[in-house]
Amino acid sequence: SAVISQKPSRDICQRGTSLTIQCQVDSQVTMMFWYRQQPGQSLTLIATANQGSEATYESGFVIDKFPISRPNLTFSTLTVSNMSPEDSSIYLCSAPGSGRSTDTQYFGPGTRLTVL
Amino acid sequence: GENVEQHPSTLSVQEGDSAVIKCTYSDSASNYFPWYKQELGKRPQLIIDIRSNVGEKKDQRIAVTLNKTAKHFSLHITETQPEDSAVYFCAAAYSSASKIIFGSGTRLSIRP
Repeated sequence: SAVISQKPSRDICQRGTSLTIQCQVDSQVTMMFWYRQQPGQSLTLIATANQGSEATYESGFVIDKFPISRPNLTFSTLTVSNMSPEDSSIYLCSAPGSGRSTDTQYFGPGTRLTVL
Repeated sequence: GENVEQHPSTLSVQEGDSAVIKCTYSDSASNYFPWYKQELGKRPQLIIDIRSNVGEKKDQRIAVTLNKTAKHFSLHITETQPEDSAVYFCAAAYSSASKIIFGSGTRLSIRP
């Protein structure tokens, strides 16, 4: 299995500021993924973080708003820039790993962001 | 891109009865279909998955079926228990190492 940690676990931020979320995986992975989960909603993919190249963003998400870094094969950061209350959400990272009986994707515990 | 639709959005069943959640996907290139369970305030946890070379997979009280021709897949939970109450998400991907597209989720409640 893949053990994934995230920091911070939660934060309350002021409108117009930025927050950087860190994601650490206990094994080397080629790709890591960032998702957003708004209250009571499903998970929406923000971008794929590739080591050694720029992140690939999904429709509706742009690099200026959600810059991503991927300095090595076990670590990634997501920055939520110029925040507004609409950015209040849970942000999760994921990475593939080997499970008991299957290769699958594992999720970090999430970062709960509240923007005032 | 891939689009995954999930039904129903809420489901309430009597303890001991079965629950069925259905999903459809749009991209015929998808080959990996995981199901995640998310309890309140926790991260999604994989409960079962199926790959396109298999039509059915079972793990104790949980089973998943896949109809690749119709682009349908379903989750079946038998002999439901109170601890089965959670939100369930179906998803689709090219592989287990690629990006996953989620369905909208089903809130399952088990009535005692």
